[in-house]
Amino acid sequence: DSGVTQTPKHLITATGQRVTLRCSPRSGDLSVYWYQQSLDQGLQFLIQYYNGEERAKGNILERFSAQQFPDLHSELNLSSLELGDSALYFCASSERGLAGETYEQYFGPGTRLTVT
Amino acid sequence: QQQVKQSPQSLIVQKGGISIINCAYENTAFDYFPWYQQFPGKGPALLIAIRPDVSEKKEGRFTISFNKSAKQFSLHIMDSQPGDSATYFCAASTRNQGGKLIFGQGTELSVKP
Repeated sequence: DSGVTQTPKHLITATGQRVTLRCSPRSGDLSVYWYQQSLDQGLQFLIQYYNGEERAKGNILERFSAQQFPDLHSELNLSSLELGDSALYFCASSERGLAGETYEQYFGPGTRLTVT
Repeated sequence: QQQVKQSPQSLIVQKGGISIINCAYENTAFDYFPWYQQFPGKGPALLIAIRPDVSEKKEGRFTISFNKSAKQFSLHIMDSQPGDSATYFCAASTRNQGGKLIFGQGTELSVKP
């Protein structure tokens, strides 16, 4: 158990809908990262938050957005869903420092999104 | 330049043998190289990681070998066990880009009893 929790575990929804995925980082970790895992694209970085502020962005679609709340949990919002958005979505957390030094990232169990 | 290339795509090893997975990168700014292990239906689990100031790191049966000049690094699993059967991902990151991980394509390892 990494200490990172994600809910829900599974999500089945229809095209055009909007969903919210939730992540709680390990106790004490200020950084949260979101990744998407699909068969054709592999594991891809989406976005990073540090202590409530967006720090880095990857290949995240404009239909997707995220935020990190004062209690450090994070939510990934996916809207206008398409069939191609079906994937595993992982959250990871680390204690990454302000100086930019890289610390280990610990992954949650993921949310499996199926768009029908 | 952001890519991390991983090989082989799949690997079959006999119990007790050595499993070797290789990764290559182009971006010389990468300064952190972790390996993750993923079982079906689970999230990636950090296995071992190395920074470019050392050429080798060993933790139990797992060893990372790092060749900075060749821009390559590899994972060696000694005395491979059926319980090691999983998908392995190499990754790389740089502090200049917030520490985001760039992953290789993954290697599906099967250890036969």
